[in-house]
Amino acid sequence: GQNIDQPTEMTATEGAIVQINCTYQTSGFNGLFWYQQHAGEAPTFLSYNVLDGLEEKGRFSSFLSRSKGYSYLLLKELQMKDSASYLCAVWGLYNFNKFYFGSGTKLNVKP
Amino acid sequence: EAGVTQFPSHSVIEKGQTVTLRCDPISGHDNLYWYRRVMGKEIKFLLHFVKESKQDESGMPNNRFLAERTGGTYSTLKVQPAELEDSGVYFCASSQDSRQGKPPLHFGNGTRLTVT
Repeated sequence: GQNIDQPTEMTATEGAIVQINCTYQTSGFNGLFWYQQHAGEAPTFLSYNVLDGLEEKGRFSSFLSRSKGYSYLLLKELQMKDSASYLCAVWGLYNFNKFYFGSGTKLNVKP
Repeated sequence: EAGVTQFPSHSVIEKGQTVTLRCDPISGHDNLYWYRRVMGKEIKFLLHFVKESKQDESGMPNNRFLAERTGGTYSTLKVQPAELEDSGVYFCASSQDSRQGKPPLHFGNGTRLTVT
């Protein structure tokens, strides 16, 4: 299967660092993606990992361990505008055109 | 470049009626996908077009749903007749290259469908 688990909701303080975890069980793997979605808007691409390790893009970083079926999204220097849902998505290997999404983590950033 | 465009943004219909959703992908993107998010649940795959051909429609819930992509440009998703459980946000996404390791998907803003 392609079970993808991530916490439902998290709260953090402006200026802090937050880590959103994602675990997956998949019969195949072609890449792991993180998307940000503000309420009522389209999911927007944040990051992509296909190999193990850390990918850094400004304030956002994403880590992948394929052997553990584990990824996290790290957000630094949190800003109020970072309040959104963060979606973990796995691109399956045997159905390489399919993205499978987790339920999303709603991040609340407080002053 | 213009992004993925979906129309309408909202639709409220009664059970038993018909609704047609439209998606205009990014120009030049051969791959077009439909996804649906029911409240509180994850985004789920519905189907995938490569140009005008249906590559994978394994996620379509039942035969009340019909998707078309005539000419390989825009796509429509028709629900006929609509049922209460069809309510949700329908997302369209497109990508240029579906080969392994070629991200990402570009999403439209979605159509929020409410069936009453």
